[in-house]
Amino acid sequence: AQKVTQAQTEISVVEKEDVTLDCVYETRDTTYYLFWYKQPPSGELVFLIRRNSFDEQNEISGRYSWNFQKSTSSFNFTITASQVVDSAVYFCALSEYSGYSTLTFGKGTMLLVSP
Amino acid sequence: EAGVAQSPRYKIIEKRQSVAFWCNPISGHATLYWYQQILGQGPKLLIQFQNNGVVDDSQLPKDRFSAERLKGVDSTLKIQPAKLEDSAVYLCASSLDDVRVENTEAFFGQGTRLTVV
Repeated sequence: AQKVTQAQTEISVVEKEDVTLDCVYETRDTTYYLFWYKQPPSGELVFLIRRNSFDEQNEISGRYSWNFQKSTSSFNFTITASQVVDSAVYFCALSEYSGYSTLTFGKGTMLLVSP
Repeated sequence: EAGVAQSPRYKIIEKRQSVAFWCNPISGHATLYWYQQILGQGPKLLIQFQNNGVVDDSQLPKDRFSAERLKGVDSTLKIQPAKLEDSAVYLCASSLDDVRVENTEAFFGQGTRLTVV
């Protein structure tokens, strides 16, 4: 069975600090897909990134970067020079290749960025 | 491009009453999902449709929850009768195809916040 663990419930930083959100996953599949979503106070989940299990290259998109390490089953998300607008709940999710395409989410990490 | 539309945004009902939520996915999206998000937790899949067929409803409490997707477009989720523990945000999402297909992602609506008193 697939499982996603986000151990950090809440993180508070001051603007311009760097922050890393941790995500650890469990799966028996060798092929799987990992995602990060952002949930601002308005409620809808906003897609940030998708990564398949065969692509271990780290990715950078502006102030966002993702570190995927199969050896530790982790897919961590770093925000560089955080801004107040980054305040939201961030979810990591997993979808296994076998069976249904169900997205299994972690419990989320609430990020609070203060000015 | 219009996003996933859900209504109502908020609903308060008494326990044992029934309630229905509506979702209009992004045009052309074959896959539609209903998720339940209890406060402080991540979304949990209730049911997944591919066009108008059910792909996965293993976590849907079928004694009280039902869902349908007419003509493979709009969908409704119903709870009858509601219990206090059903208080949650119900999120609808849609995707062009299976999210395992390259460059396919799920788009979410703003959700319906249900309070059962």
